[in-house]
Amino acid sequence: AQKITQTQPGMFVQEKEAVTLDCTYDTSDQSYGLFWYKQPSSGEMIFLIYQGSYDEQNATEGRYSLNFQKARKSANLVISASQLGDSAMYFCAMRFNDMRFGAGTRLTVKP
Amino acid sequence: EAGVAQSPRYKIIEKRQSVAFWCNPISGHATLYWYQQILGQGPKLLIQFQNNGVVDDSQLPKDRFSAERLKGVDSTLKIQPAKLEDSAVYLCASSFPAGGRGEQFFGPGTRLTVL
Repeated sequence: AQKITQTQPGMFVQEKEAVTLDCTYDTSDQSYGLFWYKQPSSGEMIFLIYQGSYDEQNATEGRYSLNFQKARKSANLVISASQLGDSAMYFCAMRFNDMRFGAGTRLTVKP
Repeated sequence: EAGVAQSPRYKIIEKRQSVAFWCNPISGHATLYWYQQILGQGPKLLIQFQNNGVVDDSQLPKDRFSAERLKGVDSTLKIQPAKLEDSAVYLCASSFPAGGRGEQFFGPGTRLTVL
């Protein structure tokens, strides 16, 4: 069965520094998609970045990049140059037939 | 482009009462999802529609939850009767048909409190 694990309940980072949020997954399927979403205190889930299981290069979207290590089944999110507005919950998710979400990591950016 | 709309944003009811939530997806999105997000957890899929047909409702507690998408556009999720453990945020999302990345676009959610 597909399972997503986020082992960091909370993370702190200094403004303008980079931070890595961990995500590991478990699946026996070869074709799947990996997503990261941001959920601010307002509650809406905001799509950040996508990585397909067959993509050879790591995905990047502006200040977000995904460190995809298929053999280790990890898909860590890297946020460069953190901003105060990055403070939020971050969810890793995997899509096979349906979308499965991890428990999330609460990121706090300190000024 | 308008996003996914949901209403109400907040609802407080007593246990054993009924409640309904409404969702209007992004125009042109054939697939619609309802998720339940309990405090401190990630969203859990309740039901997925493709147009007006149900694709997956395996995690929907069918003894008390029901959902419909009659015309393949907007959707309603109902709980009857509500229990204390139904207190959660109910998120609606939509996506393009199969193919492509399949990212889902979420609405602001409805926060339900059952007393």
